[in-house]
Amino acid sequence: GESVGLHLPTLSVQEGDNSIINCAYSNSASDYFIWYKQESGKGPQFIIDIRSNMDKRQGQRVTVLLNKTVKHLSLQIAATQPGDSAVYFCAENPNTGNQFYFGTGTSLTVIP
Amino acid sequence: ETGVTQSPTHLIKTRGQQVTLRCSSQSGHNTVSWYQQALGQGPQFIFQYYREEENGRGNFPPRFSGLQFPNYSSELNVNALELDDSALYLCASSKDPGAYNEQFFGPGTRLTVL
Repeated sequence: GESVGLHLPTLSVQEGDNSIINCAYSNSASDYFIWYKQESGKGPQFIIDIRSNMDKRQGQRVTVLLNKTVKHLSLQIAATQPGDSAVYFCAENPNTGNQFYFGTGTSLTVIP
Repeated sequence: ETGVTQSPTHLIKTRGQQVTLRCSSQSGHNTVSWYQQALGQGPQFIFQYYREEENGRGNFPPRFSGLQFPNYSSELNVNALELDDSALYLCASSKDPGAYNEQFFGPGTRLTVL
């Protein structure tokens, strides 16, 4: 299958600081990417997406950056809050088919 | 909450047994995808059902099979259970197939194979 990996398996940040979660993907044909948040005991929840014709997209307190040259994706969370504590996954989709490939995940812990 | 429900919440089986997991999709959704999530890993795509037909399959053996009903709810069946089948099984529903249709995940069924 595809290889979608994360540079850091765990991340701890102080409440109010900004968080950056990174993701590397291997398939240069991937043209659509999604970041998901998964809290304990729940399924993944859509946070933000980006298509390959963009290099940046902003949402509410979150920004996704896409660098196709080095096949790298990042999620920036501004003013991190305790409710942001969760595991974050990036997922890639080659050729906008129906199959997404998920990375291993990064566990974010927000310290009050 | 997403409106996607799964049952049962937890299940314990022994090797060689068969299991059926159920998923009720969100109202208005005709597409259900199933994922296997091993402990500490990201979800892996098993297959997708669209209007009662299989619409794509990941790298899983034939002993993983599925069904979708006229109300768009779905079942995942796993035969001849193996220890490595122990995982969280997630279903996700969407309005239509295709990558750009947001998937809404249920809370999952935790399967333990002994």
